[in-house]
Amino acid sequence: EVQLVESGGGVVRPGGPLRLSCAASGFTFDDYGMTWVRQAPGKGLEWVSSINWDGSSTAYADSVKGRFTISRDDAKRSLYLQMDSLRAEDTALYYCARIMFVEGSTTFYPVGFDYWGQGMLVTVSS
Amino acid sequence: QSALTQPASVSGSPGQSITISCTGTSSDIGHYNLVSWYQQHPGKAPKFMIYEATKRPSGVSNRFSGSKSGNTASLTISGLQAEDEATYYCCSYAGDSKYVFGSGTRVTVL
Repeated sequence: EVQLVESGGGVVRPGGPLRLSCAASGFTFDDYGMTWVRQAPGKGLEWVSSINWDGSSTAYADSVKGRFTISRDDAKRSLYLQMDSLRAEDTALYYCARIMFVEGSTTFYPVGFDYWGQGMLVTVSS
Repeated sequence: QSALTQPASVSGSPGQSITISCTGTSSDIGHYNLVSWYQQHPGKAPKFMIYEATKRPSGVSNRFSGSKSGNTASLTISGLQAEDEATYYCCSYAGDSKYVFGSGTRVTVL
């Protein structure tokens, strides 16, 4: 059974750092790209960042670029999100999710996020 | 990247069919056939319902179907049931390993 379990959330002051972790089990972790998605209280889903299967390629939403860093440790089967210079508007429930790929004629295509963790709350407040 | 546009709410009676639209641009939905849909019940993580605009993952009821035309994707729920009451989000690949979600649609079963 695929499981994703986030940890590391909590309350942090504006401008401070926080590191989220996501422990994966039930699948071959280093075969998959991974992503972080967040949801502010009472709001919709927002894609935050993604990393490919071997960590060689990363992408970020404009709202977090330059402040957040995604990484992975395949030996520990873990995904991370280092969040620096946090702002009040970063307050949200942060989900990690697995990216599902399908094989096309010439490459693999990302078709969606097939498994999600339960989410970890990050609150930025003074 | 602006959020994809969805109606805020859609409602229907048990047994009816409803359709949720998701409008993007020629840079996301119109450019890639990589639209996915998610169901989220209150306090729960999103659930993967549709991918590549029309395909259902294993285990998802065939009452859920998707389509796409131009810059707009749609999710149809047939034979509406009480358990379908949830918020639904579309999502599109937007190139360069980036993604964009829709604003979300709350479905109410009357």
